[in-house]
Amino acid sequence: GAVVSQHPSWVICKSGTSVKIECRSLDFQATTMFWYRQFPKQSLMLMATSNEGSKATYEQGVEKDKFLINHASLTLSTLTVTSAHPEDSSFYICSARGLMNTGELFFGEGSRLTVL
Amino acid sequence: GIQVEQSPPDLILQEGANSTLRCNFSDSVNNLQWFHQNPWGQLINLFYIPSGTKQNGRLSATTVATERYSLLYISSSQTTDSGVYFCAVNTGGFKTIFGAGTRLFVKA
Repeated sequence: GAVVSQHPSWVICKSGTSVKIECRSLDFQATTMFWYRQFPKQSLMLMATSNEGSKATYEQGVEKDKFLINHASLTLSTLTVTSAHPEDSSFYICSARGLMNTGELFFGEGSRLTVL
Repeated sequence: GIQVEQSPPDLILQEGANSTLRCNFSDSVNNLQWFHQNPWGQLINLFYIPSGTKQNGRLSATTVATERYSLLYISSSQTTDSGVYFCAVNTGGFKTIFGAGTRLFVKA
């Protein structure tokens, strides 16, 4: 398989601050990574597709100025939640396709954000 | 867009029981995956199964692409099988769409 690692696992911040979440592909290069958001007892919703060396593609209804995505290298994508508010509290999880590029997705551990 | 429906939404089993989870999808898919989300939120890859049948220990899965459904079988369930099981499909583009999940609780 392929290993995707996310950091931090947990983060608590004050309202109005910004939080950065990192997603790394550890044993393969990922030109494309995906960011999902999950509210309690709900399914995963795709937020954006992160493309190495170019702008991210955001899903309808996702504020690109609120959720900044940078994919500066083939192994790292970052999601920055800017000026976080309590309604941004959620579980954020990234994924990437593995080496064989069959479409199989592998997920990071997820990052649980709590905004006070 | 494609619709993915999972059933049942909730399932309670006695340890040792068998179960079948279903995933229906509304359009042709290029690939289909089954995941187990554990209580800590980690998504564990169970099967990558766009068609056919696969088995891994007590788990097996079958996808009948022409009839647009997939089944996940859990035999001799254990308490560690508890969690949420997701079916996710891809129609050929970048997007992978998730079903709502089946929440499983296995009682000791």
